[in-house]
Amino acid sequence: AQSVTQLGSHVSVSEGALVLLRCNYSSSVPPYLFWYVQYPNQGLQLLLKYTSAATLVKGINGFEAEFKKSETSFHLTKPSAHMSDAAEYFCAVSESDMRFGAGTRLTVKP
Amino acid sequence: DAGVTQSPTHLIKTRGQHVTLRCSPISGHKSVSWYQQVLGQGPQFIFQYYEKEERGRGNFPDRFSARQFPNYSSELNVNALLLGDSALYLCASSLATVPQETQYFGPGTRLLVL
Repeated sequence: AQSVTQLGSHVSVSEGALVLLRCNYSSSVPPYLFWYVQYPNQGLQLLLKYTSAATLVKGINGFEAEFKKSETSFHLTKPSAHMSDAAEYFCAVSESDMRFGAGTRLTVKP
Repeated sequence: DAGVTQSPTHLIKTRGQHVTLRCSPISGHKSVSWYQQVLGQGPQFIFQYYEKEERGRGNFPDRFSARQFPNYSSELNVNALLLGDSALYLCASSLATVPQETQYFGPGTRLLVL
C-alpha cells in the first residue's frame, strides 16, 4: 500500500538558510509524488509534483525536490529561506488515491 | 478564474446531528475529492467522484456519504456526528482521476462538534 513518511514534524531555520524537508515514500508501483504547502486557515497549494519525467523537479517560490528511487525519497529543498515560507508542508503519494504525510511545520527565524 | 469554493467556512454542530458540506470545483474540472484533516495531521482521503459516479472511497464509516451533481459540484454528508468528526474538511477538484493529475484544494470547511 502506498504511504509517505515525513521526517521531522517541526523544522526551524534562519532567514537565508537552506530549507530541507524530508519525505520518504512507499509504493508498489512507480509513484507520483507531490509537495503541497498550507498556510494558516487556508487550503493546500501545490508546490511541485513528480510524474517520472525528470528526477529533479522545480516548483513555485524557489522550491525544488529530487526523486531518488534507491532511497525511496523525495526531499524538498530551497536554497534560501524567506519569512514568507513559514507554513505547513505536506508530502503526498498518489496511486489509486492520494495519501498525505503528517506534515512538517516550517518556522523561519529573522 | 475562480478556484475551488466551499461552504460554509465554519460550522458548529452537536453530537448526533447531521451536516452537509458543499463544494464547487474549478470550471472544467469533472472530478471532486473530499478529505478530512484533523488538527495536527495530514489530510485523509474520504471520497472521489467523477462524472457523478463514486470512483474511490477511503476508510471512513457509512455515516459519511457524498454525491456529485450534473454541474460537477458536490456535497459531503455526515450523519450521527461524533466529537471525533471535528476537523477541517477539504474539497479538491481535478480534470480527471488519473493518479498524476494535480488536485486543486479549496479553503476548507471547519467543523466543530460539541
